[in-house]
Amino acid sequence: QKEVEQNSGPLSVPEGAIASLNCTYSDRGSQSFFWYRQYSGKSPELIMFIYSNGDKEDGRFTAQLNKASQYVSLLIRDSQPSDSATYLCAASTDSWGKLQFGAGTQVVVTP
Amino acid sequence: SQTIHQWPATLVQPVGSPLSLECTVEGTSNPNLYWYRQAAGRGLQLLFYSVGIGQISSEVPQNLSASRPQDRQFILSSKKLLLSDSGFYLCAWSGKSSYEQYFGPGTRLTVT
Repeated sequence: QKEVEQNSGPLSVPEGAIASLNCTYSDRGSQSFFWYRQYSGKSPELIMFIYSNGDKEDGRFTAQLNKASQYVSLLIRDSQPSDSATYLCAASTDSWGKLQFGAGTQVVVTP
Repeated sequence: SQTIHQWPATLVQPVGSPLSLECTVEGTSNPNLYWYRQAAGRGLQLLFYSVGIGQISSEVPQNLSASRPQDRQFILSSKKLLLSDSGFYLCAWSGKSSYEQYFGPGTRLTVT
């Protein structure tokens, strides 16, 4: 059973601080990893993807991948109340493009 | 740019009634298409995926079915709904050369 695990939260973060979200995956064959943001009642929105070990930065977001340890993380710098959402981690499972999603981590940014 | 549409946005159906949800994608050709369900407070469960017209793979055996009659159209159906079919149904697409999936706005289904 291929699994993607995330802490469910809620992760409470003061406005302006760094939010750190972690994700582990069980399938060593996974090559591609994704972070989605989902506001309550809305559909998931892709915010980051990473394919190689190391860091990838996009604006206030940084994704980190360590394939040897099988974990992916997302850092949100200068957290804003608009970052309050559930963040879903996903990993590719095969060559057909299927993804395995974690259950998500709820982030609450407090003013 | 690519856009993905789903309808209806919300649906309330009695147990035992049929279901048809539609998803269409614009601005791309020959996409991979996916149907997911998200139960309240839960993660995304992949139901079906399709790599081309008439090609459907099922991930979870249940009373739902999917069809892809046209390149950019994906339909989710049921002949008789169960209470457990309630949830947020999401359609997504991806290109053939990448794994990034992009979701439609979703259909919130309540079975009563």
